[in-house]
Amino acid sequence: LAKTTQPISMDSYEGQEVNITCSHNNIATNDYITWYQQFPSQGPRFIIQGYKTKVTNEVASLFIPADRKSSTLSLPRVSLSDTAVYYCLVATGGTSYGKLTFGQGTILTVHP
Amino acid sequence: DTGVSQDPRHKITKRGQNVTFRCDPISEHNRLYWYRQTLGQGPEFLTYFQNEAQLEKSRLLSDRFSAERPKGSFSTLEIQRTEQGDSAMYLCASSPQQAGVQHIQYFGAGTRLSVL
Repeated sequence: LAKTTQPISMDSYEGQEVNITCSHNNIATNDYITWYQQFPSQGPRFIIQGYKTKVTNEVASLFIPADRKSSTLSLPRVSLSDTAVYYCLVATGGTSYGKLTFGQGTILTVHP
Repeated sequence: DTGVSQDPRHKITKRGQNVTFRCDPISEHNRLYWYRQTLGQGPEFLTYFQNEAQLEKSRLLSDRFSAERPKGSFSTLEIQRTEQGDSAMYLCASSPQQAGVQHIQYFGAGTRLSVL
């Protein structure tokens, strides 16, 4: 089971780019890296997923180095509404149905 | 498509009472999951259904907990003889079974349980 480590909290200001790095040293060959966002009193929301190199969608980019032992979620030009908890997850290797194992996540606070 | 729906959103009960929560997944999603989340922690996996079959239960799910998914559509999670330690947010998620889509789950807003 791949365990992830990410900072407990980060602070940023509106308009800045935020990079949250996650370590997953025991990632397996068939594991994907997935990030979720969670606002208070809501369920987690899928942000982005990747296997290697770089993935970009309308809200974020995900950078994964060749050894895949870490990944970085990049949020461009954050706003106050990006204040949330961000979870980095690695799919449990060998599981066909995708049980998710969440860590404590990173509390991102965006200041005016 | 209205997303994953959970009912009720909030439940306050007295210790020893039974409670039941309902989850309506996104239509056509055959995979359904239950998680529990306590304050300051990430969600913890409780159980998983593929269609109507319950394929895995976490050790967190004591004998007082039972989940069903009759007909492979909505699901219910029942807690019998509630204890104060059961106070938490109970989250339901669903996902499609698609090749190349790895473990992307869509979560409901959750049911917050408070046991007095």
